[in-house]
Amino acid sequence: AQSVTQLGSHVSVSEGALVLLRCNYSSSVPPYLFWYVQYPNQGLQLLLKYTSAATLVKGINGFEAEFKKSETSFHLTKPSAHMSDAAEYFCAVIAGTYKYIFGTGTRLKVLA
Amino acid sequence: DTGVSQDPRHKITKRGQNVTFRCDPISEHNRLYWYRQTLGQGPEFLTYFQNEAQLEKSRLLSDRFSAERPKGSFSTLEIQRTEQGDSAMYLCASSLGPTDTDTQYFGPGTRLTVL
Repeated sequence: AQSVTQLGSHVSVSEGALVLLRCNYSSSVPPYLFWYVQYPNQGLQLLLKYTSAATLVKGINGFEAEFKKSETSFHLTKPSAHMSDAAEYFCAVIAGTYKYIFGTGTRLKVLA
Repeated sequence: DTGVSQDPRHKITKRGQNVTFRCDPISEHNRLYWYRQTLGQGPEFLTYFQNEAQLEKSRLLSDRFSAERPKGSFSTLEIQRTEQGDSAMYLCASSLGPTDTDTQYFGPGTRLTVL
């Protein structure tokens, strides 16, 4: 069975600081991994997607994530946080099926 | 590309009433999914359509829930005899296919509140 664990339900960073949101996955087959962002009262918007083509994946809005098989991780980073990055972020995995398995989300707060 | 749309965006109902939600996927997307998201949780899979065929239903989808996708275009999700535990955000997503790993594009969701 596949699963995703997001460490830290709330993360606060100062504007301009590094953003690091953690995601660990469990899968018995090679996974496809996704990061989505959700703004209040909105649906999910795809940030980036890992499909085994390259371990470092660049997404929209300056975000990137690195797939590390040895650590079963797919952490999301952004070098410099902006106020507009404040939102909830979800990591998801597909492994062998079409069903997304989502983590419980991390709410990012950006401090001025 | 107009994106996935859902209607209504918000629905407040009394316990025991029936409600129906609509999802319009991105045109040409032949796969459509429904998810449910409760407060503080990530979305959970409910059901999946490929064209008009409903190919999978989660155990979360009790017999009070029914989903359809006539003609393989829009989809409806109906909840009969609503309960307070049904209060959640209902998200629809679509993907182009043909592979299972195609990106799913999500709509804005319908937030249901059962009083």
